[in-house]
Amino acid sequence: GAGVSQTPSNKVTEKGKYVELRCDPISGHTALYWYRQSLGQGPEFLIYFQGTGAADDSGLPNDRFFAVRPEGSVSTLKIQRTERGDSAVYLCASSLMKGTDTQYFGPGTRLTVL
Amino acid sequence: GDSVTQMEGPVTLSEEAFLTINCTYTATGYPSLFWYVQYPGEGLQLLLKATKADDKGSNKGFEATYRKETTSFHLEKGSVQVSDSAVYFCALNKAAGNKLTFGGGTRVLVKP
Repeated sequence: GAGVSQTPSNKVTEKGKYVELRCDPISGHTALYWYRQSLGQGPEFLIYFQGTGAADDSGLPNDRFFAVRPEGSVSTLKIQRTERGDSAVYLCASSLMKGTDTQYFGPGTRLTVL
Repeated sequence: GDSVTQMEGPVTLSEEAFLTINCTYTATGYPSLFWYVQYPGEGLQLLLKATKADDKGSNKGFEATYRKETTSFHLEKGSVQVSDSAVYFCALNKAAGNKLTFGGGTRVLVKP
């Protein structure tokens, strides 16, 4: 079946602008995760949804970052007033249920803030 | 907090050589342990996992054993191929939580 998809694959924006990144999880997966991967580093956790609610948002770096999942499927990561330090690859993953179940990753969105 | 430490790369090998990538972790409780691989131009893929002490995960000729006494999960392959060139990430996931905590990644380059 279809894997996790993310759009756009690349996004270039200017400092101070607002961006939205979209994630379509694997059909039927109730858990959805966002991670951020800076160049040469491992992914870092941002936020986790179980269904429609954010079960853990402890990884969001500040209040410029926000994510929603209104119908328990597609999720959007929103970044306000972007800064050059936000440049990274944003990864989305989904899993069938919470806990130690395997997370399946999408290809990522490469965000570049000029 | 939880953390994962893995050997820095790049690791350069000749085809058919033996590969070991060291991974150690710090975590309370009993985490599950994972190796993910990122091939050039592709997304993260699960390579193997182990959910309890002394479990051995294996896939595509790769193996790793969950060693609680040494808090390690070293990745090994007996005979690497050029197609194994990739970045390898060790990670843990706590039973009580849900996020994956990753190491910094190890780039492996296999030359023919």
